[in-house]
Amino acid sequence: DAGVIQSPRHEVTEMGQEVTLRCKPISGHNSLFWYRQTMMRGLELLIYFNNNVPIDDSGMPEDRFSAKMPNASFSTLKIQPSEPRDSAVYFCASSLADRLAVTTYEQYFGPGTRLTVT
Amino acid sequence: GIQVEQSPPDLILQEGANSTLRCNFSDSVNNLQWFHQNPWGQLINLFYIPSGTKQNGRLSATTVATERYSLLYISSSQTTDSGVYFCAVERTRFGNEKLTFGTGTRLTIIP
Repeated sequence: DAGVIQSPRHEVTEMGQEVTLRCKPISGHNSLFWYRQTMMRGLELLIYFNNNVPIDDSGMPEDRFSAKMPNASFSTLKIQPSEPRDSAVYFCASSLADRLAVTTYEQYFGPGTRLTVT
Repeated sequence: GIQVEQSPPDLILQEGANSTLRCNFSDSVNNLQWFHQNPWGQLINLFYIPSGTKQNGRLSATTVATERYSLLYISSSQTTDSGVYFCAVERTRFGNEKLTFGTGTRLTIIP
């Protein structure tokens, strides 16, 4: 398997622009997670999906952030409008979870997208 | 939420040395993973170990769930072991809290 695939790997944009990050999970995994990593806050969970349904988005910082998972093999994280404080590395991860999404098993991370907002 | 503390925060060792990294957590967990973030930023799975002991080459890990800690052992360290080691835990007692990461141990191996 190719592992979790993220694109783009690097994104530089100007404040106010829309940014879309993309993720393809490992085939067969039924849970998908978006994380953000910064020096100040470390690794934070933004949102996770189980069977394509958003389960918990309490980590999404504000309404400028949105995430979708239209099918089992694709998810997007969108920031509109972007701000300099959104600069970070954004990771997508996938795993198997039990039917009720109570327990998730080993998570596998993609290579991340380094976002810089100027 | 659950608290995850890792120690030491930084560790500098000579190549060939052994090391022990510790992860303490504040509540019962049903999932614990160790990750290595290499100098290029990639997060690599090391162990999925909610309890018990596992070994993989020069690395091994032990989780004592009843005492709320986990240890990662690195033997005969190599320069490629440098990076940040994260412990992450999940608990489901309150709602459905997913992986919470510790602040990491930064390991530097000197040739």
